[in-house]
Amino acid sequence: EDKVVQSPLSLVVHEGDTVTLNCSYEVTNFRSLLWYKQEKKAPTFLFMLTSSGIEKKSGRLSSILDKKELFSILNITATQTGDSAVYLCAVNYGGATNKLIFGTGTLLAVQP
Amino acid sequence: DAGVTQSPTHLIKTRGQQVTLRCSPKSGHDTVSWYQQALGQGPQFIFQYYEEEERQRGNFPDRFSGHQFPNYSSELNVNALLLGDSALYLCASSRHFSGNTIYFGEGSWLTVV
Repeated sequence: EDKVVQSPLSLVVHEGDTVTLNCSYEVTNFRSLLWYKQEKKAPTFLFMLTSSGIEKKSGRLSSILDKKELFSILNITATQTGDSAVYLCAVNYGGATNKLIFGTGTLLAVQP
Repeated sequence: DAGVTQSPTHLIKTRGQQVTLRCSPKSGHDTVSWYQQALGQGPQFIFQYYEEEERQRGNFPDRFSGHQFPNYSSELNVNALLLGDSALYLCASSRHFSGNTIYFGEGSWLTVV
């Protein structure tokens, strides 16, 4: 059965802390792994990863994929209260098409 | 460049009723997928439309149906609503046969009472 598992389910940190969010997966027809930030409604795209070992960075956020061990991490450095959200990991496993299977998400709360 | 747009944003329906949700994909995108997100859960794939046909379907009953129009916009219909259908319904937009990013709309919050 295809599945995506995220950990931890939730965490509380203080501003300035660094956090690491984990995502492991077992899917057939892996195409890519995507990270989204969801604050209220629409998941907002963060990263798409297709190749192992290549770090993607955007400001204080970075992510990397390990296709051998079937996991990805999302790092957030110098956290701010605006980083508080649910972070969703999804795997595109649709083969020639785009179909996503999501984890349950990690709820991050950043306290001032 | 308009992103993915959905309507309505919120609606309340009674058990047994029917609902229609609408989605316009991002400019340049030809594929629309629908997802259901229950509270505290990740989105779950309902189905995908491309070239006005349902191409793939997740584990949802036939009460869930859809349509895609020539302009690539799409509708999601749910018949005989159950309390358990209460969720955020998300529309995802992409280009078919492409590994490009998948973008989501703001979603439609459906409450069934």
